[in-house]
Amino acid sequence: ETGVTQSPTHLIKTRGQQVTLRCSSQSGHNTVSWYQQALGQGPQFIFQYYREEENGRGNFPPRFSGLQFPNYSSELNVNALELDDSALYLCASGPSGRGDTQYFGPGTRLTVL
Amino acid sequence: DQQVKQNSPSLSVQEGRISILNCDYTNSMFDYFLWYKKYPAEGPTFLISISSIKDKNEDGRFTVFLNKSAKHLSLHIVPSQPGDSAVYFCAASPYSGGYQKVTFGTGTKLQVIP
Repeated sequence: ETGVTQSPTHLIKTRGQQVTLRCSSQSGHNTVSWYQQALGQGPQFIFQYYREEENGRGNFPPRFSGLQFPNYSSELNVNALELDDSALYLCASGPSGRGDTQYFGPGTRLTVL
Repeated sequence: DQQVKQNSPSLSVQEGRISILNCDYTNSMFDYFLWYKKYPAEGPTFLISISSIKDKNEDGRFTVFLNKSAKHLSLHIVPSQPGDSAVYFCAASPYSGGYQKVTFGTGTKLQVIP
């Protein structure tokens, strides 16, 4: 039990729609990172937020955006969904941005039709 | 461009024997290496890490070896147990700007046979 939860578990959307995925972290976890894991691939870093500000981004277009709130919850928003956005989306939180102290949630499986 | 490569998608090992999982990387800026373990329907969990200033790090049954000149690392599990059956991800990051952008490999599915 990592104390990191994500909702919803599964989601089906159609191409062109917008989606919001949610993550709830433990108290004291000031950093949250989001990853996209396509089938058969490893997680790919989307971006990281520290104290409500984005402080690092991977190779994802601007239609992927995020928010982090003072109550240790966060959101990943994806606009203009494409078929290739179908993937497992993982959030990971921790007291710092270090990879060895980040705790992953179970993920949200997004299917875009 | 896959900067962290795990060329073996799967590995089967008998209980009690050694499991060796391999990983190669291409980016010379990587300075810190991690292994994560993932069970079905769960997120990855951190297992062990190694800094580039070391060539070995041990934690119980798990040992990670780093060969910087070959850009290669490996995870040894001794002895292997059925509960070790999972997908193992190798990952790497540079130390930069106060955060660590972690780059993952594609994973190796380990099956430990009782």
